[in-house]
Amino acid sequence: GESVGLHLPTLSVQEGDNSIINCAYSNSASDYFIWYKQESGKGPQFIIDIRSNMDKRQGQRVTVLLNKTVKHLSLQIAATQPGDSAVYFCAENLSNDMRFGAGTRLTVKP
Amino acid sequence: EAGVAQSPRYKIIEKRQSVAFWCNPISGHATLYWYQQILGQGPKLLIQFQNNGVVDDSQLPKDRFSAERLKGVDSTLKIQPAKLEDSAVYLCASSAGASGLGYTFGSGTRLTVV
Repeated sequence: GESVGLHLPTLSVQEGDNSIINCAYSNSASDYFIWYKQESGKGPQFIIDIRSNMDKRQGQRVTVLLNKTVKHLSLQIAATQPGDSAVYFCAENLSNDMRFGAGTRLTVKP
Repeated sequence: EAGVAQSPRYKIIEKRQSVAFWCNPISGHATLYWYQQILGQGPKLLIQFQNNGVVDDSQLPKDRFSAERLKGVDSTLKIQPAKLEDSAVYLCASSAGASGLGYTFGSGTRLTVV
């Protein structure tokens, strides 16, 4: 079946650098995508979302890019901070069915 | 605004025992979801309610798992009998409508089956 997946299971960056977390999805009919951050012992926390009729959306220090041609989603975090260390999940929504990838663990080195 | 409340936070049971988890969604959220998150994996949808009706339970192991949302507000997820592979975090989420907007998770219940 179709599913959401992530390219890399772990990512380590230096504090202050930019981070890029990637996600591949296979269901071309998905119309809504969300990035979540999950810290240890907590539930996933909404970061930013994007609809399929957009290719870029910016938030505070975060940008999501959507490339529907190659079914790729990315999350860019500017000036990464120690508090950004967590597992990041992308999720795709199709007909109110939210599917999650396995996640990428981001570690920020001081 | 209060978030999604779940209890208990932790539960340890022996295999073949029963366990129940409780979720109180954000006030006014019509849609409620239960997810299972095994360590190192993303959340997997178990069941989705729209008010008090089931929208999707295709991935719920119905021989041992059950869930209800009788009054369209709180929900309970039950496992009977539990197996070792049921050890996971059980997450509840709610959203205002069918589009997935405003999707908010609770902190989850960590279940350990020994």
